[in-house]
Amino acid sequence: GNSVTQMEGPVTLSEEAFLTINCTYTATGYPSLFWYVQYPGEGLQLLLKATKADDKGSNKGFEATYRKETTSFHLEKGSVQVSDSAVYFCALGRGGSEKLVFGKGTKLTVNP
Amino acid sequence: GAVVSQHPSRVICKSGTSVKIECRSLDFQATTMFWYRQFPKKSLMLMATSNEGSKATYEQGVEKDKFLINHASLTLSTLTVTSAHPEDSSFYICSARDAAGFDGYTFGSGTRLTVV
Repeated sequence: GNSVTQMEGPVTLSEEAFLTINCTYTATGYPSLFWYVQYPGEGLQLLLKATKADDKGSNKGFEATYRKETTSFHLEKGSVQVSDSAVYFCALGRGGSEKLVFGKGTKLTVNP
Repeated sequence: GAVVSQHPSRVICKSGTSVKIECRSLDFQATTMFWYRQFPKKSLMLMATSNEGSKATYEQGVEKDKFLINHASLTLSTLTVTSAHPEDSSFYICSARDAAGFDGYTFGSGTRLTVV
């Protein structure tokens, strides 16, 4: 079945550091891939997505590229801010009534 | 963009009572909504898939009679926690998919349920 594996962290960085959160997936066919962010006490917000191989999703300085050859969708940001502190979830989905499959989440803490 | 409204954001109830949580898609029609439960410092656990006009599909291990799901319209799904107990205290989150096409899933802001 479909699955998502992401580094569990926690990850602690200083402000302006480079961020990478690894995400790999197992799936048949061509699912869409997502990164969601959850701030403390809140629901999930879509951060970025990619719907086909080699697509690059980007938003708020974050980027991730859909790599079919390595079945990966790693999240990167060149310079993190304190406000980026949150839990990040990688997920895959196909639409319809099919559920999203989530990774376990990675907690990021950025210190000033 | 698509917005999903979830209410209440926080609720405290006594053991043995029932609590209803609403999930509304505000600017799109959602044939399918999903209900998740999130334990502290854990990932989301899918509880059930809610389809408009039909019975919900529950994940293995989720009690159907305890977590009642109703998806009576294309914009509203409700989760009722019946005869709540302290172990039901958790963060519940809904999400919805736009029936017009697949553009991902939009999540509600979550409901913090505390059973005392």
